[in-house]
Amino acid sequence: GAVVSQHPSWVICKSGTSVKIECRSLDFQATTMFWYRQFPKQSLMLMATSNEGSKATYEQGVEKDKFLINHASLTLSTLTVTSAHPEDSSFYICSATGGEGRSTEAFFGQGTRLTVV
Amino acid sequence: AQKVTQAQTEISVVEKEDVTLDCVYETRDTTYYLFWYKQPPSGELVFLIRRNSFDEQNEISGRYSWNFQKSTSSFNFTITASQVVDSAVYFCALSDALMIYNQGGKLIFGQGTELSVKP
Repeated sequence: GAVVSQHPSWVICKSGTSVKIECRSLDFQATTMFWYRQFPKQSLMLMATSNEGSKATYEQGVEKDKFLINHASLTLSTLTVTSAHPEDSSFYICSATGGEGRSTEAFFGQGTRLTVV
Repeated sequence: AQKVTQAQTEISVVEKEDVTLDCVYETRDTTYYLFWYKQPPSGELVFLIRRNSFDEQNEISGRYSWNFQKSTSSFNFTITASQVVDSAVYFCALSDALMIYNQGGKLIFGQGTELSVKP
């Protein structure tokens, strides 16, 4: 199956700093990537959808200035949590779709556990 | 609106018992996909199955089986002879036609069911 790699797998940062999370599709060109957030003991909630070369579409209630998404190439999307605060501590996971025969299936990265102290 | 409901928040069974995880979905579309994912404590999502709305055949894969019933909008998942390694959170998810064609792969997840299998 397709491989989506997410980096880092975990990160601890100080309050007020920014953190960048990378999501790479390793063996296919991902025309669309999705970013989800998961709080402890809760479901995955879609934050935003990004298409290569265009601005991301954010779900209602997600601050686009706080969660910057860049999808500059067909294999890489980044999520930057700006001026992180403890309430941003969460599990962030990306998924990617695209490529021949892969438009209906989402392949997930390993996730990034962010802790803001 | 699309919605996925997993009414069972937590289930605890003893090893070798059979267990069924329920999933009920809502969509107005006639074309859609249903998924099950397993999320072990490490956090990654493990893909288990994808089923499209036109294929109502039940599926069996080893100890896993899925029962798709369009009449009741349910897509239940059964683990036979459960094992400790099955302990995880299981998510049911939906991707309907609008999501597929406009934003292929966007998923709506249920709340998840935490399965604990005790030895």
